Amino acid sequence: DAKTTQPNSMESNEEEPVHLPCNHSTISGTDYIHWYRQLPSQGPEYVIHGLTSNVNNRMASLAIAEDRKSSTLILHRATLRDAAVYYCILRDSYSGNTPLVFGKGTRLSVIA
Amino acid sequence: KAGVTQTPRYLIKTRGQQVTLSCSPISGHRSVSWYQQTPGQGLQFLFEYFSETQRNKGNFPGRFSGRQFSNSRSEMNVSTLELGDSALYLCASSLAVGVLTEKLFFGSGTQLSVL
Repeated sequence: DAKTTQPNSMESNEEEPVHLPCNHSTISGTDYIHWYRQLPSQGPEYVIHGLTSNVNNRMASLAIAEDRKSSTLILHRATLRDAAVYYCILRDSYSGNTPLVFGKGTRLSVIA
Repeated sequence: KAGVTQTPRYLIKTRGQQVTLSCSPISGHRSVSWYQQTPGQGLQFLFEYFSETQRNKGNFPGRFSGRQFSNSRSEMNVSTLELGDSALYLCASSLAVGVLTEKLFFGSGTQLSVL
């Protein structure tokens, strides 16, 4: 599986934008980039995913580099409820319903 | 629509015992996956069931097994428990009807402590 690299932790002030980076230099052409987050005492929850183009949904935006070797999850206005571990995961679209391979993720702290 | 339900929420067992954990997926979802989460190893895939058949399996010993019923509910069993099996066990469901990038919905997990 192609690997991802994320910072161990990041900190943000409440109501400010947060940019969570992810490097995936060995990404293949058929890999989708998925982001999940895990809030304290809960299971992971889906945030967003994309292939080549930037994506937006009600939770976040995903900016994908032109060469696809990196991506950035953008939370437009961080709230205390966004404090969580964020996982960047590559998922091969041509291997069937392959399981999610979680790395260590980035622990985001939000300061009031 | 109810989310993924896992029972029990907490469980304490002793070494050598066996345990069965239960997962009820979101209504209409046909795929159920199980993950183990520990502080040292993070989230690791155990296995996935689709229409009562195991479709994928992670790198865990045979003491870990699972099954899925016709109503898509799933159980996982761990026999001869070891101290290292103490973990949060998470279940996830998805529609799994051919959309290769569809998202998974996770339950809150069962926290298993082995003494």
